[in-house]
This record gives sequence, C-alpha cells and structure tokens, in this order.
Amino acid sequence: DVKVTQSSRYLVKRTGEKVFLECVQDMDHENMFWYRQDPGLGLRLIYFSYDVKMKEKGDIPEGYSVSREKKERFSLILESASTNQTSMYLCASTPGGLGEQYFGPGTRLTVT
Amino acid sequence: AQSVTQLDSQVPVFEEAPVELRCNYSSSVSVYLFWYVQYPNQGLQLLLKYLSGSTLVKGINGFEAEFNKSQTSFHLRKPSVHISDTAEYFCARWFQNFVFGPGTRLSVLP
Repeated sequence: DVKVTQSSRYLVKRTGEKVFLECVQDMDHENMFWYRQDPGLGLRLIYFSYDVKMKEKGDIPEGYSVSREKKERFSLILESASTNQTSMYLCASTPGGLGEQYFGPGTRLTVT
Repeated sequence: AQSVTQLDSQVPVFEEAPVELRCNYSSSVSVYLFWYVQYPNQGLQLLLKYLSGSTLVKGINGFEAEFNKSQTSFHLRKPSVHISDTAEYFCARWFQNFVFGPGTRLSVLP
C-alpha cells in the first residue's frame, strides 16, 4: 500500500526555534513536495524536489529551506520559527509530473 | 498566472440530495485537472482526474466531474450524498506544478 509518513501530527514550538519537519515515502517516487494549508487559501507550494539533492522554490519559500539527501526522505526546515508560520504542513510525492500526488497525514505546527 | 477558483467556500446539503461543487480555472493550452478530498485530520486523496479524452470523468465514491473547455470549468457532482461525504474538497490543476483552489467544505446534514 502506498504510504507517505510525516514525523509528527502535532508540534508546538517557540518563536525563534529551528524546526524540522520530516517526510518519508516508500514508493520510490522521484518527486516530493511541501505545502502549507491555511483556511480559505487552499494549499500553497513551499518547495519541491525532482531528485536527490535537488530543490526548487515554490510559491512561498521565504522563511523555509529543504533538504533531500535520500530519495525517500524530504525535510522542511524553519530556520527561525515565527508565529505566522503556524499552519498545517502537508508533504506529497508523485512518480511523475502528471501522476497522482500521494499525501501524508499532515503536521499541525503551532508557533507561540 | 495560472489559477483555480472554487466559488463556494461552504456547501451544506441534506443527506441523499444531489450536490455540485464548482471549479473554474484560468485558460491555458494544456489543461490537466484534479479533484482531491480531505477528510477531517487526514491528508488529501485523489477523487478523480482529467488528463485527456472523455470530458465526463468518473471517480471514487460515486463522484463524477465534467470538463467544459468553453466555460473553463471542472465541476464535481454526486447524485446522492451520504453523511460520510462530509469533507473538504479541493480542485487542482497541473501547470509546471500543481495549483490548488481554496477548497469547498461540504457538510452533509441528516
């Protein structure tokens, strides 16, 4: 069964902390994505990766960075968390450009 | 910029009634469209997709959508909804990457 897992379902961090969100997929997919989901705004793309060690900025990359050292793992990093980064973060993977995106369950991050 | 519009942020409907969730996209040469569903506290899962061919697309759980190029629409329909269909529904298109609409929250009332 296809599976995308995210390291935490709920996370509470303080302003200024460095935050790591981990995503792992077991489908040998080339492409991985990080989105944030906010009410009324839908999903907005933060970063994506088409291959190991490759990364591309999405629509809202400011304040975030990513790391993809292994094909199955894609990490989202908040260098210095701020309250406006409180959101739901969703990871997804796909085998190709037009393929179905498989989503993880999401991490609800609260920054206080 | 490519965009996806979902005109209704919330749609309440009684159980066993029909429902239509509206989606419009900005025009483009190539159009690849998707509907995803998100149940409470879960990630998104694919309902159906239009890549080419027949403009009427059937998906899981009895949902279907019709691609209308002249109206740049891809509305989602179900003839009879169940309580379990209560969820948030996202329309999306592929253009270099996925672009999602803001979502429509469907509430099915008993």
